[in-house]
Amino acid sequence: QVHLVQSGAEVKKPGSSVKVSCKTSGGTFSSYTFSWVRQAPGQGLEWMGKIIPVLDRATYAQKFLGRLTFTADRSTSTVYMELSSLTSDDTAVYYCARLTFNGDEGWFDPWGQGTLVIVSS
Amino acid sequence: SYELTQPPSVSVSPGQTATITCSGDNLGDDFASWYQQKPGQSPVLVIYQDNKRPSGIPERFSGSNSGNTATLTISGTQAMDEADYYCQTWATSTYVFGTGTKLTVL
Repeated sequence: QVHLVQSGAEVKKPGSSVKVSCKTSGGTFSSYTFSWVRQAPGQGLEWMGKIIPVLDRATYAQKFLGRLTFTADRSTSTVYMELSSLTSDDTAVYYCARLTFNGDEGWFDPWGQGTLVIVSS
Repeated sequence: SYELTQPPSVSVSPGQTATITCSGDNLGDDFASWYQQKPGQSPVLVIYQDNKRPSGIPERFSGSNSGNTATLTISGTQAMDEADYYCQTWATSTYVFGTGTKLTVL
């Protein structure tokens, strides 16, 4: 049974960066793909991208290109999401989730508990 | 960009059947998944690959997908099913979520 535990809430200034961690327990970390999904207050879900730790390969959604970086530490079974040049529009809950896919199509299960990132001056 | 449209809200009486739709161009050509999200909680997968239920999801949850519409059906709806529901698919090299539907059980 895979379980994802994320780091705690963050408050950041506009223009700064935030790094959120997602630690995996149970299962085989190296066989998984992970995605990050965010949810602005009162809004829907937005896919940000995915990382395949065993290949150290990341894919980012178009709107985040240039300011989003995913990394993985296989020694601690942890994936990281770093978002730079923060604006108030980045205020959201950020979720990590395991992505299971068949070809390109896939689904997200399970999800971490979420990390609230507030961007405010 | 590809869009998935859901009704903002659906209401159902306890014990009745709730139907939530998700519309997108040729959605039936790809698999759809569904997630349940209760207030203050993370999303939970309830349906994947159109009609498969993950372990632990009650049998009252079912799904279908054809043409331009995917449908989540909850038979014998219970008060605990009150939540937001999101559909999701893969399109134009990205994973796309629907706009979300608030299910009220009253």
